[in-house]
Amino acid sequence: AQKVTQAQTEISVVEKEDVTLDCVYETRDTTYYLFWYKQPPSGELVFLIRRNSFDEQNEISGRYSWNFQKSTSSFNFTITASQVVDSAVYFCALSEAQNQGGKLIFGQGTELSVKP
Amino acid sequence: KAGVTQTPRYLIKTRGQQVTLSCSPISGHRSVSWYQQTPGQGLQFLFEYFSETQRNKGNFPGRFSGRQFSNSRSEMNVSTLELGDSALYLCASSLQVGIGRLAGISGELFFGEGSRLTVL
Repeated sequence: AQKVTQAQTEISVVEKEDVTLDCVYETRDTTYYLFWYKQPPSGELVFLIRRNSFDEQNEISGRYSWNFQKSTSSFNFTITASQVVDSAVYFCALSEAQNQGGKLIFGQGTELSVKP
Repeated sequence: KAGVTQTPRYLIKTRGQQVTLSCSPISGHRSVSWYQQTPGQGLQFLFEYFSETQRNKGNFPGRFSGRQFSNSRSEMNVSTLELGDSALYLCASSLQVGIGRLAGISGELFFGEGSRLTVL
């Protein structure tokens, strides 16, 4: 069965702190894709990153970095030197190749609050 | 390039009524999927359409239905509304660049701002 777990419901940090959002997934498919989305108060889901199951290379984009480990079925997201604008709900999601990309299974989301 | 457009943005209905929500995907995108977001259940997949055919379906009752037109625009309909149908309904479009498990890339999903439905 496919499942995504984000154990952290809420995280509160002070500006400039580093913060890591955890994501653990379950799938029987050997080909799958993992995503992170950001949802600001406006409601629109903003794409952050996509990773396929054959690429375990970690990625860094500015203050954002992602750690993908198939051995532990985890795809964690770190924000370095957090800013108030990072406050949002962050979702990790899984897409299995058998569904040809159109179906995402989302975690419950982690609400990040960055205080000045 | 215009993003995914959903209409209406807000609507209020009463129990037993039906509602139709509309989604216009990004130009050139042929895949449209729908999601329901509630505080209790989170983001749940409803269904996906590709080239006017339903390709994937989530675990929702038959009161939830959808369709896609030849121009890729999509509508979803909820009949006999219940209080629990109150939610943010999100539509996403995708440019399919791969096929099944041989694909190297799964099309990124671009989301609209959603239609917020309140059922009284």
